[in-house]
Amino acid sequence: NAGVMQNPRHLVRRRGQEARLRCSPMKGHSHVYWYRQLPEEGLKFMVYLQKENIIDESGMPKERFSAEFPKEGPSILRIQQVVRGDSAAYFCASSQTGTGGRGNQPQHFGDGTRLSIL
Amino acid sequence: AQSVTQLDSHVSVSEGTPVLLRCNYSSSYSPSLFWYVQHPNKGLQLLLKYTSAATLVKGINGFEAEFKKSETSFHLTKPSAHMSDAAEYFCVVRLNYGGSQGNLIFGKGTKLSVKP
Repeated sequence: NAGVMQNPRHLVRRRGQEARLRCSPMKGHSHVYWYRQLPEEGLKFMVYLQKENIIDESGMPKERFSAEFPKEGPSILRIQQVVRGDSAAYFCASSQTGTGGRGNQPQHFGDGTRLSIL
Repeated sequence: AQSVTQLDSHVSVSEGTPVLLRCNYSSSYSPSLFWYVQHPNKGLQLLLKYTSAATLVKGINGFEAEFKKSETSFHLTKPSAHMSDAAEYFCVVRLNYGGSQGNLIFGKGTKLSVKP
């Protein structure tokens, strides 16, 4: 049973370009979460999606960032017009059911995409 | 508001000696608590979780953690460190009620070094 798959593992972009990060959840998981990890810091929540729905995007920057999780295919985190401050590791996690309420389904993490902005 | 504080940014132990990684949490509601481990350039692996069942939680690789409500602590321990335990460890609280349900809040991490 493959784990959470993220690609690419490393992505280099120049300022002003677009970055697309992909995440395929574990088989049977329909809930996806994106986190950003800056150097020497823990992960910060960005967005929580179910198939075709954004459940919570309270951690997403208001501009340039968007996320989707279509009915078919991986979840995509898109960053437009990248700036140096976007350099970070971006992690995707998935869970079998929603983890709100009294649910206790853990989130399983991918190995991340390390984004470098030149 | 929910938050997590990991009291040590670095911990160094000798192989074969006990490990203690400290974590305090703040939560308005009954929390779910987790410890994750991250090896260099890898994702996070779940070590153990507390979800209001037994207060002493056993995880993988010999780690365990005790939930102490009176101290708002969830410290991670292991009786005997192994070289392969060298990694970064994150204490995590999950919101169970309120607006942002399901999201994980991470501590800043503790880097564990193990000396031969």
